[in-house]
Amino acid sequence: DAKTTQPPSMDCAEGRAANLPCNHSTISGNEYVYWYRQIHSQGPQYIIHGLKNNETNEMASLIITEDRKSSTLILPHATLRDTAVYYCIVATNFGNEKLTFGTGTRLTIIP
Amino acid sequence: GAVVSQHPSWVICKSGTSVKIECRSLDFQATTMFWYRQFPKQSLMLMATSNEGSKATYEQGVEKDKFLINHASLTLSTLTVTSAHPEDSSFYICSARDQGGGQRERLNEQFFGPGTRLTVL
Repeated sequence: DAKTTQPPSMDCAEGRAANLPCNHSTISGNEYVYWYRQIHSQGPQYIIHGLKNNETNEMASLIITEDRKSSTLILPHATLRDTAVYYCIVATNFGNEKLTFGTGTRLTIIP
Repeated sequence: GAVVSQHPSWVICKSGTSVKIECRSLDFQATTMFWYRQFPKQSLMLMATSNEGSKATYEQGVEKDKFLINHASLTLSTLTVTSAHPEDSSFYICSARDQGGGQRERLNEQFFGPGTRLTVL
């Protein structure tokens, strides 16, 4: 079973920030929070991951609460190409760690 | 970033035939690759972990004799769906981690292939 819960769907206006929440209340101390997205009929794409500090890269920002029980992925200026299913996954960074995909959040960017 | 390719991108076959899907890491070594299956409007489900030079590890409920996995080199894993039936029609996706050392290995990023859509008539 997936260790995360996410809202099934969200809409966001083009050009606005998209904030996608994720709950992972049973996260272990050595587990990271990973975010992937899947555009229709394509393989998933890595976005960002973090352990406990907030992280930012060219795609997004990841805000992790101090107790690490939840996090938020932020797409600062959403475009139509950001329409996808976004998956929040918790996993260690051990060699052969499997990724368990939940149902994700279907984000639709509205023109 | 690192690239994972899959071949073919789509395939249509008759019931009872076998289909082989290739997964290649193009610019990195992958001791371990993963095979997923995704039915329409559902999430990815891990089928098996493919280990270079050894037997694959299958998830519970996945028939190892039906889904044959071979990981003969550090850049190639194959999934063969044997005696395919219409219920095997699905989107098959592989992934790999860069385990050749360096920054990408430390980041533990998994790189996914573009997927193979299998339709069994």
